[in-house]
Amino acid sequence: AQSVTQLGSHVSVSEGALVLLRCNYSSSVPPYLFWYVQYPNQGLQLLLKYTTGATLVKGINGFEAEFKKSETSFHLTKPSAHMSDAAEYFCAVSGSGGGADGLTFGKGTHLIIQP
Amino acid sequence: EAQVTQNPRYLITVTGKKLTVTCSQNMNHEYMSWYRQDPGLGLRQIYYSMNVEVTDKGDVPEGYKVSRKEKRNFPLILESPSPNQTSLYFCASRPGVRANEQFFGPGTRLTVL
Repeated sequence: AQSVTQLGSHVSVSEGALVLLRCNYSSSVPPYLFWYVQYPNQGLQLLLKYTTGATLVKGINGFEAEFKKSETSFHLTKPSAHMSDAAEYFCAVSGSGGGADGLTFGKGTHLIIQP
Repeated sequence: EAQVTQNPRYLITVTGKKLTVTCSQNMNHEYMSWYRQDPGLGLRQIYYSMNVEVTDKGDVPEGYKVSRKEKRNFPLILESPSPNQTSLYFCASRPGVRANEQFFGPGTRLTVL
């Protein structure tokens, strides 16, 4: 079975500071990895994804994530936080057999941006 | 515009009164699923469908039913809603089981009194 662990249900950073949201996964097959963002009162929107190839992937709104197989991690970063980044962020893994359909979500991290 | 639509967006009902939340996608996706989102629990899958007339249970199927008579539609049915089904519900679709991206609907906030 596969799983996703997001460290920290809430992360608070100052505007302009580095954003780091942590995601670790387990999967018995090479994973596809995703980060989704959910703004208040909205659905989930894909931020970025890793399938194969380059391990550093860039997404929308200046976010990027690096797939590290040896650490089974896929942490999300952004060099400089903006107030509009305040949202809920979900990491997800697509492997095989997990979550009944191969896609498993973490519990989410609420990102708070302080002025 | 490619999208997943859900209706209604907000619903308040009473215990035991049957309800249906509709979901429709216009991307010709084979794969559709329903999730519920609860604070501190993230997204949990209720049911999924790999194609027309093919549905299967997710992680939390109790109290829910689904049907997939057409490729574009995947309604969620609560035959006898209870207060513990108060939640935010999302429908999603993607081209295949291991596709690159899953598309989500805007969500349905359900309150069962």
